[in-house]
Amino acid sequence: GENVEQHPSTLSVQEGDSAVIKCTYSDSASNYFPWYKQELGKRPQLIIDIRSNVGEKKDQRIAVTLNKTAKHFSLHITETQPEDSAVYFCAASKVQDMRFGAGTRLTVKP
Amino acid sequence: GAGVSQSPSNKVTEKGKDVELRCDPISGHTALYWYRQSLGQGLEFLIYFQGNSAPDKSGLPSDRFSAERTGGSVSTLTIQRTQQEDSAVYLCASSLNLGGETQYFGPGTRLLVL
Repeated sequence: GENVEQHPSTLSVQEGDSAVIKCTYSDSASNYFPWYKQELGKRPQLIIDIRSNVGEKKDQRIAVTLNKTAKHFSLHITETQPEDSAVYFCAASKVQDMRFGAGTRLTVKP
Repeated sequence: GAGVSQSPSNKVTEKGKDVELRCDPISGHTALYWYRQSLGQGLEFLIYFQGNSAPDKSGLPSDRFSAERTGGSVSTLTIQRTQQEDSAVYLCASSLNLGGETQYFGPGTRLLVL
């Protein structure tokens, strides 16, 4: 089955700096790669996603890149703000299920 | 519109008792998923439904866990003879169709087994 690895497990940055979280997946049939943000005690919320026919997608301060050949994808957050502090999960999905990475706890220091 | 809802929001039970967790997906969503999240951990996939059918039950942690979905809508996750290691947040999500679709999560049920 699909195996998704996510790095780093924790990330601390200064407000205004960029943050990058990387994920790799094992199943070349996966074709949909969402990123979820989970604040403490709340449900995961989709922040951005990318499909396998696209290499990069950007939404304001957030961007995701996908390298299908290498089977890895990354989340980039620029100009980080304290409210970006949360746990971020990547996921890889094919037809029948979605597998999540273990999560990255991002802390943005003011 | 209404999002995914789950009930109860919190459940405290004694070891050995059975519990039933409920998920109401977004209306019209054909796919429904159950996940488990232990404290400070990632999301563990348990089972998915396409309509009322769950083709793959291999993600369920043990035979004490079962799930069903009726009428293509509400789903229940049942844990029999609960154990302390079952303590976790159980999250339900739904998507319009199966595969390659955004999953919308419910608020979760926080289960504590004493």
